[in-house]
Amino acid sequence: EPEVTQTPSHQVTQMGQEVILRCVPISNHLYFYWYRQILGQKVEFLVSFYNNEISEKSEIFDDQFSVERPDGSNFTLKIRSTKLEDSAMYFCARSTGPDSGNTIYFGEGSWLTVV
Amino acid sequence: AQSVTQLGSHVSVSEGALVLLRCNYSSSVPPYLFWYVQYPNQGLQLLLKYTSAATLVKGINGFEAEFKKSETSFHLTKPSAHMSDAAEYFCAVSTNNNDMRFGAGTRLTVKP
Repeated sequence: EPEVTQTPSHQVTQMGQEVILRCVPISNHLYFYWYRQILGQKVEFLVSFYNNEISEKSEIFDDQFSVERPDGSNFTLKIRSTKLEDSAMYFCARSTGPDSGNTIYFGEGSWLTVV
Repeated sequence: AQSVTQLGSHVSVSEGALVLLRCNYSSSVPPYLFWYVQYPNQGLQLLLKYTSAATLVKGINGFEAEFKKSETSFHLTKPSAHMSDAAEYFCAVSTNNNDMRFGAGTRLTVKP
């Protein structure tokens, strides 16, 4: 099954700036996720998104984060005011849904560096 | 909530030797279990998954894992390690609430 495609692959941003990370259009997918991986650490769940709504979010996903999928197009993660500790690899993912064992397929990741 | 624990953050084996990466899970409902591999500077690739069918699951690259409910384990094995197996391996668990939680990862090193 095809994985999701993410852009940009790498972004460097100044602390305090807004960043938007994108999954390119995949019109027939319903379940989406964002995960992040700080360098050398485990993969951490951020948020799950189903039927154009957030279905679950972790304690990491605070008010500076938001997700949207306007008009069934790109699935985006926005970080409003980046902090140094937001530097990480951010993975977009999709799943086949609970009827298929919740297998999650990951994109190649967007590497965010906050300076 | 479900969780997984990977025993050993770093495992080193010789080429041709058995690979054993340990994973124990915790879940209040029947879990789905997964192993993912991450090669340097790459994303996560699904190795194999357990979804309540056969307890011995075969994956890509010669890896397999066995679901043992009595031990709450889902250890990953490969009979003979290859240099190309060097990577980070993540065990993960999900349930019907459609999210997934990862273990801390195990870095596999293969010595020539």
